[in-house]
Formats: sequence, C-alpha cells, structure tokens
Amino acid sequence: AQTVTQSQPEMSVQEAETVTLSCTYDTSENNYYLFWYKQPPSRQMILVIRQEAYKQQNATENRFSVNFQKAAKSFSLKISDSQLGDTAMYFCAYRRGSGGSNYKLTFGKGTLLTVNP
Amino acid sequence: SAVISQKPSRDICQRGTSLTIQCQVDSQVTMMFWYRQQPGQSLTLIATANQGSEATYESGFVIDKFPISRPNLTFSTLTVSNMSPEDSSIYLCSVVPLARYEQYFGPGTRLTVT
Repeated sequence: AQTVTQSQPEMSVQEAETVTLSCTYDTSENNYYLFWYKQPPSRQMILVIRQEAYKQQNATENRFSVNFQKAAKSFSLKISDSQLGDTAMYFCAYRRGSGGSNYKLTFGKGTLLTVNP
Repeated sequence: SAVISQKPSRDICQRGTSLTIQCQVDSQVTMMFWYRQQPGQSLTLIATANQGSEATYESGFVIDKFPISRPNLTFSTLTVSNMSPEDSSIYLCSVVPLARYEQYFGPGTRLTVT
C-alpha cells in the first residue's frame, strides 16, 4: 500500500522568508500524481500545487514550487516570500495513475506552518 | 475547479441520533468522495460515492453506519447513523471535475456528538 510521510509536524518562518516542507512517499507504481493541499484554520482544503510523476519539470504556482525527486520518492514544497495568510496545515497527498479507484488520495499527517510577523 | 457546498456547516447532535450531510457541486464531476478528519488529524477516506449504485467503502467503514447516496452527477449525501461521541469530526466532500485528475474539497461539516 502507498504511504505518505511528512516528518515535520510543525514549522515556523518569518514573514517574507522562504520555507521548505518535506514529504516522502512509498510506492511501487510508475504512474502517479502528487499534491500539496493547504488547510487554514477556517478548515477549507485548498489545492496548492500538483505534480505528474511522468513530468521531470518541477511544478510552480506563483510563490509555491516543488522539488520532485522521483528516484528518491521525495516531494517537497517551497514557499517563497512567506505571507501571514500562508499560516495553515499543509498536507502532502498521493494518487495512483488514472482510472477507477485510482482517484483515491493518500494523505500524510500534515505539517502545521506558522508565519510570524 | 468546481464550487462545492456542504450543508450543514456544523451541527451538535445527541448520541444515538443520525445526521445527513449534503454535498452539492456547481458542475458535473467524475468522482465524489467522503472523508473524515478527526480533531488534529489527517484525512481518512470513508467511501467513494457512485452514481446510481452502492458506494464503495474503505476498510473500517460500513454502509449501515455511513449510508451514502449519489442520485446524479452533482449531488451526494452522507448519513452518520446512531452517532456516538467518537463520530465527532469534520466530514468533507471532495470531487474530481470532468477531464481533470485533481480533487477539490468542500468546506466541510463540523459534527459534535454529545
């Protein structure tokens, strides 16, 4: 079974600085997708960024980027120019390749990020 | 992405009663899921809501406790039956829009059982 590990239960960063959240996963599949979700205290889960395993290029969404290392099964999230609104729980998630029950997501335990003024 | 609404947003219920949570999407979607998030925890998949047929439940979740309906491509309900305090959680609906592979989540329903 696939597992997702987030080894940092909590992190903090100063406003305007850069922070990297770690995620590793275990799978025997070659085709899969990886995601980072953000859950602010208001609890709405928001999709931050996504990565297809077959793409070597790291995904980027504005201040958010990933470092995808397929051989190492690592998928870290970098947040640049951190803002107070980035304070949230961040979840890393894995999904097998397309089709049927493969849409199911496996989540890590989450990393609570606090951005300090 | 899809706009997802859930009703109710929160409720406080007595032990032994049942609560039905609704999930409505503003566009047709391929897949709909129900997750549970216990306090301070990650998300656990309860079941996949299948249109016009019985839901597919994950290990540890059964239809008698969590009956699910999905009558069409944009609507689903989850019922939490015969509730106990251990059912106190946030329940989230998620969807996969047509021609997409990522999931989007509703705002969640915060359930407290006393």
